[in-house]
Amino acid sequence: QKEVEQDPGPLSVPEGAIVSLNCTYSNSAFQYFMWYRQYSRKGPELLMYTYSSGNKEDGRFTAQVDKSSKYISLFIRDSQPSDSATYLCAPLSGGYNKLIFGAGTRLAVHP
Amino acid sequence: NAGVTQTPKFRVLKTGQSMTLLCAQDMNHEYMYWYRQDPGMGLRLIHYSVGEGTTAKGEVPDGYNVSRLKKQNFLLGLESAAPSQTSVYFCASSRDPSSYNEQFFGPGTRLTVL
Repeated sequence: QKEVEQDPGPLSVPEGAIVSLNCTYSNSAFQYFMWYRQYSRKGPELLMYTYSSGNKEDGRFTAQVDKSSKYISLFIRDSQPSDSATYLCAPLSGGYNKLIFGAGTRLAVHP
Repeated sequence: NAGVTQTPKFRVLKTGQSMTLLCAQDMNHEYMYWYRQDPGMGLRLIHYSVGEGTTAKGEVPDGYNVSRLKKQNFLLGLESAAPSQTSVYFCASSRDPSSYNEQFFGPGTRLTVL
């Protein structure tokens, strides 16, 4: 079993839809949970992160962690075509700032 | 600031050839990382470095070697390339974290081994 499981999609939604992207993980020691966004043929960029359980909101994006069920979510409200990208969840694993990446979910928002 | 840069952007090798990928960062970061990204696999850590002159193995180190002779540069070497090493390679860097610090990624190197 992988430490981080993420459905690779692809996920196709109309502009304005609410998008839900999800990951599960197996290691209960994870405390920091990152979401990276990767546009086609580019390097990943940090979108947002949360610490421990709870929600964090940044504009149209909300990250949610439920440590009791080891479930990570990213919600995108009022999705835009510019949100079309691959979204990677990545818990922080142990020392040295190492990340464990999910497979990434490819999202397409069509006008 | 250029951030994290990678050289070359594309490369095609024949099985058994060797090559070196160069990563450079101008943010004075202590930590640097090499990942590979394959379809359906996400990014997997190959090697990392926590400072000049140090290197450590990641999740998938076999077939690769690294060196960090200067703080700003992190080199990834393939001594004898194999088709299984066809992938997109990303370098990243981050500050020495007290709690957590963002990893900044380069644009990637697309490598094909025939």
